[in-house]
Amino acid sequence: DAGVTQTPRHEVAEKGQTIILKCEPVSGHNDLFWYRQTKIQGLELLSYFRSKSLMEDGGAFKDRFKAEMLNSSFSTLKIQPTEPKDSAVYLCASSSTGGAGEQYFGPGTRLTVL
Amino acid sequence: GDSVTQTEGLVTLTEGLPVMLNCTYQTIYSNPFLFWYVQHLNESPRLLLKSFTDNKRTEHQGFHATLHKSSSSFHLQKSSAQLSDSALYYCALSDRNMGYKLTFGTGTSLLVDP
Repeated sequence: DAGVTQTPRHEVAEKGQTIILKCEPVSGHNDLFWYRQTKIQGLELLSYFRSKSLMEDGGAFKDRFKAEMLNSSFSTLKIQPTEPKDSAVYLCASSSTGGAGEQYFGPGTRLTVL
Repeated sequence: GDSVTQTEGLVTLTEGLPVMLNCTYQTIYSNPFLFWYVQHLNESPRLLLKSFTDNKRTEHQGFHATLHKSSSSFHLQKSSAQLSDSALYYCALSDRNMGYKLTFGTGTSLLVDP
């Protein structure tokens, strides 16, 4: 089975641009998570989907961050407009609803906003 | 809500010495699942080990941990540190009542010196 895939692996954006990050979960997994990771804040949950329904939308990230689950095997995270403080690694993870919650992470997208 | 505490931000030790990374948790639910994730430099977090059985030792890749519900702890241990163990370690918690969504600690960086 293929693991979680994320594209692009690296993204450089100018302040004010719109960027879209993409994620494909492990086949058959019903739960999908978007995280932001920085050295200072660690792992921060941005969004959580279960069977394509949005279960949690990180409050602090609502205004410029929008995650969507277009079908069970594809999700996007849009940041609009980008700001330099958005520079971070964005991780996508998926898990099986029937499991104990163990999540499998994708390789991440490293975003740099100039 | 649930919470996970990792008291050490950075642990530095010499190769060959024992490793112990602390993890305590808080939950009102009686059957939590506890996890350790490891993240090496420029990689994404990977599941290291997990447990839901009280007082039972769980082992994987030389590391071990025992869930102690009486003290709400799940410390990670290894008898002899290797240089390749240098990484960021996250403790995480899930339970059925929270839909098995993971709550992560802030992480502990382990640096093993020669």
